[in-house]
Amino acid sequence: SAVISQKPSRDICQRGTSLTIQCQVDSQVTMMFWYRQQPGQSLTLIATANQGSEATYESGFVIDKFPISRPNLTFSTLTVSNMSPEDSSIYLCSVVGEEETQYFGPGTRLLVL
Amino acid sequence: AQKITQTQPGMFVQEKEAVTLDCTYDTSDQSYGLFWYKQPSSGEMIFLIYQGSYDEQNATEGRYSLNFQKARKSANLVISASQLGDSAMYFCAMRSSGTYKYIFGTGTRLKVLA
Repeated sequence: SAVISQKPSRDICQRGTSLTIQCQVDSQVTMMFWYRQQPGQSLTLIATANQGSEATYESGFVIDKFPISRPNLTFSTLTVSNMSPEDSSIYLCSVVGEEETQYFGPGTRLLVL
Repeated sequence: AQKITQTQPGMFVQEKEAVTLDCTYDTSDQSYGLFWYKQPSSGEMIFLIYQGSYDEQNATEGRYSLNFQKARKSANLVISASQLGDSAMYFCAMRSSGTYKYIFGTGTRLKVLA
């Protein structure tokens, strides 16, 4: 399976600011996914990021709030913009591997004060 | 509509015992995949096991096995010989044919007792 890293691993931010989360994969992958996991909740898909095209956002998520870049086949960023305490979550990226299984990065723990 | 249901918010098991975590799903698709992930307190999502809807045999991976009952639409995870390190949240997920998107259940928190 692919080795996936995320930066930062955790951060504490002030409301109204923005944070960019990086996801790096050790092999080229076509599809990358960004998820949000609010405290005590399950995972919710934010968007699908394909290289060379605009990200596809799920219902309830918009590009102005969660802009995504996918400059190449091994890297993606997710920005959480104009943050509020409700954005406090774990943010995870994932890629598709063998048997169409998704493999996840270690996650970014975000706390917004 | 597709749905994954995990009815056990929390489970306890004695160390070295076996435990079954329940997962039922709802889909009208004929082809789909079922997955289990483990999430320790660190937050990472660790892939455990996969079962395809057309697989006739139950999937096994070391101490993990998936009890797949297609007619009942259930895909329970069995962990044998529980270890303290198995204490974590466990999520069941489903992927339908033609999409890479997953639907996740609400999770079961497993605590292994010494």
